[in-house]
Amino acid sequence: GAGVSQSPRYKVAKRGQDVALRCDPISGHVSLFWYQQALGQGPEFLTYFQNEAQLDKSGLPSDRFFAERPEGSVSTLKIQRTQQEDSAVYLCASSRGTGDNQPQHFGDGTRLSIL
Amino acid sequence: AQKVTQAQTEISVVEKEDVTLDCVYETRDTTYYLFWYKQPPSGELVFLIRRNSFDEQNEISGRYSWNFQKSTSSFNFTITASQVVDSAVYFCAPLSGGYQKVTFGTGTKLQVIP
Repeated sequence: GAGVSQSPRYKVAKRGQDVALRCDPISGHVSLFWYQQALGQGPEFLTYFQNEAQLDKSGLPSDRFFAERPEGSVSTLKIQRTQQEDSAVYLCASSRGTGDNQPQHFGDGTRLSIL
Repeated sequence: AQKVTQAQTEISVVEKEDVTLDCVYETRDTTYYLFWYKQPPSGELVFLIRRNSFDEQNEISGRYSWNFQKSTSSFNFTITASQVVDSAVYFCAPLSGGYQKVTFGTGTKLQVIP
């Protein structure tokens, strides 16, 4: 498809397990973002990539969260030793350029539930 | 510090009524962009409209229109002749800084009743 694709759509894990969430941005999009959205809240910024470079990871809540985009296309958000407070929808977005007037295009998100 | 406020938590209107969603963005930045996104029950955030801080002219795009008041930092968003498909959560999302880091408001849930 032409949009941002995220997988899996739903993920259930036991507390303490590691999880990996995948994002396929729109082809050719330079910028890629990860957001965390808790129930009833707006999305909160986690991290930003420009091509393969992670330029901002200030929103990652702890060192258990790690994101990569090794070839400047697909990105993976990894959460180690998951905890119940990690339960949320994780949204990925991409945009064409790096200018600050570019709208971001979002995927459907991955709904993560930690038991 | 920057602060985005969407004071309206939930709004219900009858189909075909106009509805205005409020957003206040407090910042020391003099140049910034502000986006409105829609999040229907399916979950995907959809870009609706973009506005910059240095253009105070109000705009209309189809059934959507802006009303920007610089003195109060208000970016109000109006949907004319609302439709049931407009039912969603609407987020005000300002962007400032050197790249596209967006700060989302808490959202306003709009329900359009047939």
